Amino acid sequence: DVKVTQSSRYLVKRTGEKVFLECVQDMDHENMFWYRQDPGLGLRLIYFSYDVKMKEKGDIPEGYSVSREKKERFSLILESASTNQTSMYLCASRYPNMNTEAFFGQGTRLTVV
Amino acid sequence: TQLLEQSPQFLSIQEGENLTVYCNSSSVFSSLQWYRQEPGEGPVLLVTVVTGGEVKKLKRLTFQFGDARKDSSLHITAAQPGDTGLYLCAGPRNSGYALNFGKGTSLLVTP
Repeated sequence: DVKVTQSSRYLVKRTGEKVFLECVQDMDHENMFWYRQDPGLGLRLIYFSYDVKMKEKGDIPEGYSVSREKKERFSLILESASTNQTSMYLCASRYPNMNTEAFFGQGTRLTVV
Repeated sequence: TQLLEQSPQFLSIQEGENLTVYCNSSSVFSSLQWYRQEPGEGPVLLVTVVTGGEVKKLKRLTFQFGDARKDSSLHITAAQPGDTGLYLCAGPRNSGYALNFGKGTSLLVTP
């Protein structure tokens, strides 16, 4: 059974903290993504990676960075968490073909207080 | 960014009713996908449509890709409570690596 696993389902962090969200996939996918999902705004792409150590900004990269040191792992980093980063964060992976399925993790609901 | 507009945003119906949700864009897409997301979970792929005018059926769900490949629809026949969820359409971004998503249609089917 294919899997994308996110390290936490729920996180509560304080304003100003550095936050790490981890994502691991077991499907040998080249492409990995981080989205955030907010009511009324849908899924918005933060960053994606098409290979190890390769990354590209999505639509809302401000306040975030990413790391991909190994093919199976893609980390999202909030450099200094702020309350407007309270959201559901979804990691996904897929093969590098336009028509392939994106597999999602279960999501991390992050609350910044 | 290639925008995908979904309508309606919310839909609440009784079990047994039929419904259609829409996904529209001003851009041409090489393909479109439909995902369903249940509360507390990530989206799961339902179908991919790749040919203009294509119709695909998945049990009581019928998906159509517009002739001009700018729009798609999802029709559910005789909805059941298990169909409750958020329905998302998605299309490839210009780079081809990532997907753009519509904002979704939240469907509630009550017994």
